[in-house]
Amino acid sequence: EAGVTQSPTHLIKTRGQQVTLRCSPISGHTSVYWYQQALGLGLQFLLWYDEGEERNRGNFPPRFSGRQFPNYSSELNVNALELEDSALYLCASRDRANQPQHFGDGTRLSIL
Amino acid sequence: AQSVAQPEDQVNVAEGNPLTVKCTYSVSGNPYLFWYVQYPNRGLQFLLKYITGDNLVKGSYGFEAEFNKSQTSFHLKKPSALVSDSALYFCAVSRAYSSASKIIFGSGTRLSIRP
Repeated sequence: EAGVTQSPTHLIKTRGQQVTLRCSPISGHTSVYWYQQALGLGLQFLLWYDEGEERNRGNFPPRFSGRQFPNYSSELNVNALELEDSALYLCASRDRANQPQHFGDGTRLSIL
Repeated sequence: AQSVAQPEDQVNVAEGNPLTVKCTYSVSGNPYLFWYVQYPNRGLQFLLKYITGDNLVKGSYGFEAEFNKSQTSFHLKKPSALVSDSALYFCAVSRAYSSASKIIFGSGTRLSIRP
């Protein structure tokens, strides 16, 4: 069974630019979660999608947005990039509430 | 509201000694509890979960965790630490039987095993 896949693995952008990160969940998983992790610290919850709908959103500005497609894959968009957006962005999927999330290896975003 | 506390930022243990990584939680109703491990430049890997049943849960790589409802704790343990166990460990909680419940992660504990 293929795991959660994220692309790209690394990305370098400059302030003010826009970026799109992609996530493919494990087959059969309908929920996708996005997290931001700065410098190996804790996970900050960004977004939760389930069955194509946004179910919950973390405490991030509106320039962080996303969507989930009919095949349950997901995109995270970040506009007007700022230096503090430099982080590892992790995507996770799961199929039921009593099951664990499965994580991808993330996209490392560096803002210059 | 749900919350998770990992009171120790860092735990240092000698190889071969037992290890404990602490986690306490707060949730309305019954909890689902999870432990994850993260190696450098990787995503989180699932170790074990408590859903219901036996309070002692066994997971991957020889790890186990004990659910204590009265102390609202779910400490991660291993009888004999390996250098390869050195990593960042996260505890997480969600509310049981609720598909709408968000998963809350603790701040993480860095485990360092010295040879």
